[in-house]
Amino acid sequence: DAKTTQPTSMDCAEGRAANLPCNHSTISGNEYVYWYRQIHSQGPQYIIHGLKNNETNEMASLIITEDRKSSTLILPHATLRDTAVYYCIVRVEGAGGTSYGKLTFGQGTILTVHP
Amino acid sequence: SAVISQKPSRDICQRGTSLTIQCQVDSQVTMMFWYRQQPGQSLTLIATANQGSEATYESGFVIDKFPISRPNLTFSTLTVSNMSPEDSSIYLCSVEDGDWNTEAFFGQGTRLTVV
Repeated sequence: DAKTTQPTSMDCAEGRAANLPCNHSTISGNEYVYWYRQIHSQGPQYIIHGLKNNETNEMASLIITEDRKSSTLILPHATLRDTAVYYCIVRVEGAGGTSYGKLTFGQGTILTVHP
Repeated sequence: SAVISQKPSRDICQRGTSLTIQCQVDSQVTMMFWYRQQPGQSLTLIATANQGSEATYESGFVIDKFPISRPNLTFSTLTVSNMSPEDSSIYLCSVEDGDWNTEAFFGQGTRLTVV
């Protein structure tokens, strides 16, 4: 699976949009971009994923560049409860093959939302 | 969605002993995974456990040290054998339903301290 690069930490003011970047310049055509977060003392939580189109759900938006070499997770109105470690992961498409199902976690971005 | 219950939530164990961690899911799932999160670190996949087959271990993890059972589609156990202080970590169970590119659900983890 392709490797990702994320900033170590970011700050955001409560109520503002949090934009978390991720670089995945070696991503392959059949690899999806996934975002998870881990709030302190909890297991990781799925946020969103996409292949090449921008995606939005109730939690966040995912913007993937046209060349797919980078992406940005957007939390539109950050709250204190969004303080967590955010992981950007690329994973091969679909079922089958030895790499299906593996989520390779990097160090992630520590997002701190302050009042 | 899937709700995962892990037991115990935490334990303090003597070196040289073994601990079995249980993972119970509220629905039948195809794929179950065990991760380790060492203090201050990200998650590392230990093994993939599919019902009816032997667990598949990642590089650096062996069955003798981390035996896994997967007796049915809702339950799995991970045993940490012959523990040493280096095994002090959070151990997390994760599941996916086997469809293509779906989200993974994680348990709250088992915090293990070996003294």
